Amino acid sequence: GIQVEQSPPDLILQEGANSTLRCNFSDSVNNLQWFHQNPWGQLINLFYIPSGTKQNGRLSATTVATERYSLLYISSSQTTDSGVYFCAVELVNSGYALNFGKGTSLLVTP
Amino acid sequence: DTGVSQNPRHKITKRGQNVTFRCDPISEHNRLYWYRQTLGQGPEFLTYFQNEAQLEKSRLLSDRFSAERPKGSFSTLEIQRTEQGDSAMYLCASSSTRFNEQFFGPGTRLTVL
Repeated sequence: GIQVEQSPPDLILQEGANSTLRCNFSDSVNNLQWFHQNPWGQLINLFYIPSGTKQNGRLSATTVATERYSLLYISSSQTTDSGVYFCAVELVNSGYALNFGKGTSLLVTP
Repeated sequence: DTGVSQNPRHKITKRGQNVTFRCDPISEHNRLYWYRQTLGQGPEFLTYFQNEAQLEKSRLLSDRFSAERPKGSFSTLEIQRTEQGDSAMYLCASSSTRFNEQFFGPGTRLTVL
């Protein structure tokens, strides 16, 4: 089956630092989404990005579908950025299920 | 609130009991998905509906799990004869057919004693 690998698994940053989270996937995809799961378990949509680059405030994402990876950039991190970041992909010709990675757990300290 | 809603938010039950969870999708979305998330893992896909048709159910975890969406609006997920291993967060998501960006509800946390 499809492999969705996220790195690093854990990350600790001081407030104000920048970071890059990576998602590698093993097959061609129709869709790729990045989510932030807050401490209460709610998955918050960050980006819908099957290809290209998007920016939203301090966050940006880039997906290079031909090389099967996506990157999530967090700049000037804040304590409220803490939580788990998930990458999820929808396979080509395999229905609409999202296949999730195991996530990157981010802790931003004051 | 126009997001995905789920009820109940928490459910504690004894092993062997049946439980049912409800999901109300975003109103203009005709695709609805169920996922399960266990501690330390990403969500795992279970099943999905397009309108009232259940188009994928092979990934339901066992025959104790079933889902319905009788009128193409809200959906229910039922687990019969619950086991301790069913303890998890059950998440619902919805999307439109035009853009398959999925939006998730807050989840139902199930604890089986």
